[in-house]
Amino acid sequence: GNSVTQMEGPVTLSEEAFLTINCTYTATGYPSLFWYVQYPGEGLQLLLKATKADDKGSNKGFEATYRKETTSFHLEKGSVQVSDSAVYFCALSPSGGSYIPTFGRGTSLIVHP
Amino acid sequence: GAGVSQSPSNKVTEKGKDVELRCDPISGHTALYWYRQSLGQGLEFLIYFQGNSAPDKSGLPSDRFSAERTGGSVSTLTIQRTQQEDSAVYLCASSLQTGFLGNEQFFGPGTRLTVL
Repeated sequence: GNSVTQMEGPVTLSEEAFLTINCTYTATGYPSLFWYVQYPGEGLQLLLKATKADDKGSNKGFEATYRKETTSFHLEKGSVQVSDSAVYFCALSPSGGSYIPTFGRGTSLIVHP
Repeated sequence: GAGVSQSPSNKVTEKGKDVELRCDPISGHTALYWYRQSLGQGLEFLIYFQGNSAPDKSGLPSDRFSAERTGGSVSTLTIQRTQQEDSAVYLCASSLQTGFLGNEQFFGPGTRLTVL
């Protein structure tokens, strides 16, 4: 079956530090890949996505590149802010057959001033 | 409304009671998903609907869980004879359609269920 593995948290950084949250996946075919973010007390919302190999998704200074050869979709940001503190979920949507998305366990990010 | 709404936002119940959780998806979204989010466990898929039909119920944890969707819109998740291990946040999401690459899911704020 499909699976998504992301680094365990919490990740604790100082403001303006560089962020990487690793995500790798297992799936057949060519799934779409997503990063969702859940701010405290809120629901999940889409942060960025990529639908084919070598695509780069970007939003709010965050980036992730769909790497088919390493089955990865690592999330990066050059300079984090306190307001980026949230839980980040990596997810995939299969390309055929099952329509059930698969989510990682989530990585909590804490940014200190 | 413009987004996915869920009710109630919080539900406290006693062990053995039945509960109903409601989800109002975004108008026009044909796909609807239910997930369970337990502390530190990520999102656990429960069931999804395409229109009013549920092609895959494999994620439902037991026969105490059931869900329905009427008119291609509102969905209700029912948990019968609740147990303490049912305590979690239940999330609903909708999307324009299933099987479409890059199809974003829009999530509701969730219902926090506590079984005493």
